[in-house]
Amino acid sequence: GEDVEQSLFLSVREGDSSVINCTYTDSSSTYLYWYKQEPGAGLQLLTYIFSNMDMKQDQRLTVLLNKKDKHLSLRIADTQTGDSAIYFCAESIRGSGNTGKLIFGQGTTLQVKP
Amino acid sequence: DADVTQTPRNRITKTGKRIMLECSQTKGHDRMYWYRQDPGLGLRLIYYSFDVKDINKGEISDGYSVSRQAQAKFSLSLESAIPNQTALYFCATSDFNEQYFGPGTRLTVT
Repeated sequence: GEDVEQSLFLSVREGDSSVINCTYTDSSSTYLYWYKQEPGAGLQLLTYIFSNMDMKQDQRLTVLLNKKDKHLSLRIADTQTGDSAIYFCAESIRGSGNTGKLIFGQGTTLQVKP
Repeated sequence: DADVTQTPRNRITKTGKRIMLECSQTKGHDRMYWYRQDPGLGLRLIYYSFDVKDINKGEISDGYSVSRQAQAKFSLSLESAIPNQTALYFCATSDFNEQYFGPGTRLTVT
């Protein structure tokens, strides 16, 4: 079945790089997403990568996709206290009718220490 | 103004009561979704809709129903609320590749 796994917690110092990891099981994924949820807020789409790409960079964010290992990572360079949030990995499944349904991981809480 | 709005933002209700959560969007998207979020479990899909005549169950639809009143409006109902439906509920819209989320409704069933 479809499953997305993330570690639950990551703590880094301000100015360091953060790497949040995600594994998924469905090889038919079309898009893979990273969402950010700040306390008391909804989910904000940070970035996404198409399944035929290996890497995508957007300012401080770098997404790496290893399709062979079904592993996705999000690297945040120069992490700031404002990056403290829960980060969700999600995959979009190609299926009959192409519903656009997303399967979410449990979320990784990123704590940035000053 | 926010593209996806949800009302109410917070609600406390008693077991057995009927409650409706509402979602409106101004993005003009056909696809709309309802998710619930529980700590440590991520988001799970309750129902989704491709247009006003197309409603589909998600992975955890038991105990819930939905209504798509118009392209812009998608409401979620709990016919008889129970305590394990206490959660954070999110509405989302999609233009196929990207989903846009509302701010969430925190529901507590006592």
